[in-house]
Amino acid sequence: EAGVVQSPRYKIIEKKQPVAFWCNPISGHNTLYWYRQNLGQGPELLIRYENEEAVDDSQLPKDRFSAERLKGVDSTLKIQPAELGDSAVYLCASSSTWGVETQYFGPGTRLLVL
Amino acid sequence: DQQVKQNSPSLSVQEGRISILNCDYTNSMFDYFLWYKKYPAEGPTFLISISSIKDKNEDGRFTVFLNKSAKHLSLHIVPSQPGDSAVYFCAASESSAGGTSYGKLTFGQGTILTVHP
Repeated sequence: EAGVVQSPRYKIIEKKQPVAFWCNPISGHNTLYWYRQNLGQGPELLIRYENEEAVDDSQLPKDRFSAERLKGVDSTLKIQPAELGDSAVYLCASSSTWGVETQYFGPGTRLLVL
Repeated sequence: DQQVKQNSPSLSVQEGRISILNCDYTNSMFDYFLWYKKYPAEGPTFLISISSIKDKNEDGRFTVFLNKSAKHLSLHIVPSQPGDSAVYFCAASESSAGGTSYGKLTFGQGTILTVHP
């Protein structure tokens, strides 16, 4: 079974530029999560989807961040415009049930904003 | 405000010995706790969990202990192996009324474990 796929794996951009991250969850997983992991810190939840619906986006900085999950499968996380402080690893995870232990994480996208 | 804290950034142990990783939390609403392991360039992988109705859960070489009164949990790895070298994250979650967790994890900062041959 394929795991959670994320692309790109690495991205370097200049500040004020837009950037987008893509996630393909494990087949059949209804719940999808986006996390941000800053250097030396643990992952922090940005947004959680149940199928197409964003059920928890309280931690998503809505002035510059947006996300979508069309058709309840793939998801895209966008930052526009990017700031220096957005440099981090962006992790996508998926689960088949609403249980925390069944969250499977992708390898992440490492973003560097110059 | 860091609700889940791992105060030891790193831990170094000898192969075959016990590794003890510690985690403290402040939010009394947390009642489900997990440990994740992360290798470089990979996402975290689930290791072991414990519900607040228990004080111990064991899975092979891994045991998690929970002390609710102290708001403290620990992960014991016995015996430690070089392949256990990774970053270990403690995470916590609140449960819904139905006993199913919300799925929102609050992570600690992580502890880098190095097991020397």
